[in-house]
Amino acid sequence: GNSVTQMEGPVTLSEEAFLTINCTYTATGYPSLFWYVQYPGEGLQLLLKATKADDKGSNKGFEATYRKETTSFHLEKGSVQVSDSAVYFCALRTGGGADGLTFGKGTHLIIQP
Amino acid sequence: DGGITQSPKYLFRKEGQNVTLSCEQNLNHDAMYWYRQDPGQGLRLIYYSQIVNDFQKGDIAEGYSVSREKKESFPLTVTSAQKNPTAFYLCASSSKQGRTEAFFGQGTRLTVV
Repeated sequence: GNSVTQMEGPVTLSEEAFLTINCTYTATGYPSLFWYVQYPGEGLQLLLKATKADDKGSNKGFEATYRKETTSFHLEKGSVQVSDSAVYFCALRTGGGADGLTFGKGTHLIIQP
Repeated sequence: DGGITQSPKYLFRKEGQNVTLSCEQNLNHDAMYWYRQDPGQGLRLIYYSQIVNDFQKGDIAEGYSVSREKKESFPLTVTSAQKNPTAFYLCASSSKQGRTEAFFGQGTRLTVV
């Protein structure tokens, strides 16, 4: 089956620090990979995605590269802001059906001024 | 704008009552999902549907029921049989096939009073 493993949180950083949130996966088939962000009291928003090996997804200063050889999709940002404080979910999809859509448990990111 | 609308945003339920959470999408998606999120926890799948008049149980379906009479709508009923219903409920939709992303609503926070 499919699974997604994320680093446990909370992750606490100072403003302007470099961010990495690790994500590794196992999948049957060739997945698309996603990062979602959830702000307090809200739903999940798609942050970025990549659909094939070596693709780089990017949005709002965040980046993640689809690494098939290491089955990873780590989220990075060069300089975080207080407004980046949220929960980040790594996810994959291999196809139709609910089994094809798999989420990690989420990483709570706290940015201190 | 296309998207998913959940209502209400906050809902209070008395012991022994059934309550229904609304989820409507205008993205023309075949697949719809209901997830439950508890504080500090990831997403747990309650029910999903890939086509009108058909739905399947997820990991935690006990105490919940759904219907899919229209493509656009996938309401969730939290029945009195659900012993611990206080949680944040998220509805999502996606294409039925392929490896595309899921889109989420803003969530409904249900509290038992």
